[in-house]
Amino acid sequence: AQTVTQSQPEMSVQEAETVTLSCTYDTSESDYYLFWYKQPPSRQMILVIRQEAYKQQNATENRFSVNFQKAAKSFSLKISDSQLGDAAMYFCAYRSVTKNYGGSQGNLIFGKGTKLSVKP
Amino acid sequence: DGGITQSPKYLFRKEGQNVTLSCEQNLNHDAMYWYRQDPGQGLRLIYYSQIVNDFQKGDIAEGYSVSREKKESFPLTVTSAQKNPTAFYLCASSAPGYSNQPQHFGDGTRLSIL
Repeated sequence: AQTVTQSQPEMSVQEAETVTLSCTYDTSESDYYLFWYKQPPSRQMILVIRQEAYKQQNATENRFSVNFQKAAKSFSLKISDSQLGDAAMYFCAYRSVTKNYGGSQGNLIFGKGTKLSVKP
Repeated sequence: DGGITQSPKYLFRKEGQNVTLSCEQNLNHDAMYWYRQDPGQGLRLIYYSQIVNDFQKGDIAEGYSVSREKKESFPLTVTSAQKNPTAFYLCASSAPGYSNQPQHFGDGTRLSIL
C-alpha cells in the first residue's frame, strides 16, 4: 500500500522569504499523480499544485514550485516570496493511476500535513 | 458556478442518535468521497463512490453509512455505532479515477457531541 510522509509538523518563514516543505512517499507503481493542497484556517481544501509522475519537468504555479525526485520518491513544495496569506496547513497527497474503474483508483492518500506560519 | 455544497456547517449529535451530513455537487463528477479530519491526523477516507448506486468502504468506515442514488448527491450518515464522531468532515468529488484531475472539496461540516 502507498504511504505519504510529511516529516515537518510545523514550519515558519519570514514574509518575502522562501520556504520548502518536504514530502516523501512509498509506492511500487511507476505512474501516479502527486498533489499539494492548502488548508487555511477556514478549513477549505485548496489545490496548490499537481505533478504527473511521467513528467520529468517540475510543476510550477506562480510562487509555488515543486522539486520532484522520482527515484528518491520525494516531492517537496517551494514557496517563494512568502505572503501572510500563505499561512495554512499544507498536505501532500498521492493518487494512483490504475485504470480499474470501480476500484480504489482516484483515491487520495494524504500525509499528516505541515503547519506553515508566516511572520511579518 | 460549479462546486460542492456541504450542509450543515455545524452539527450536534446526542447519544444514540444517527445524523446525516449532506454533500451535493454540480460539477458532473462521477466520483465522490468522504473524509474525516482530526487534529494532527490529516484526512482519512471513510467511503467513496466511483459511480451511481455503487460505493466502497475506505480506511475508517465503521460506524458510518452512505448512499449514492443520484450522481449529484452522496450523503453520509454517522450512526450511533460511531463512538467518537467529533471531527471535521470533508466531502470531495472528481472526474473518473484514472484522470489527472484533482479532487474538489466542499467547505466541510464540523460534528460535535452534545
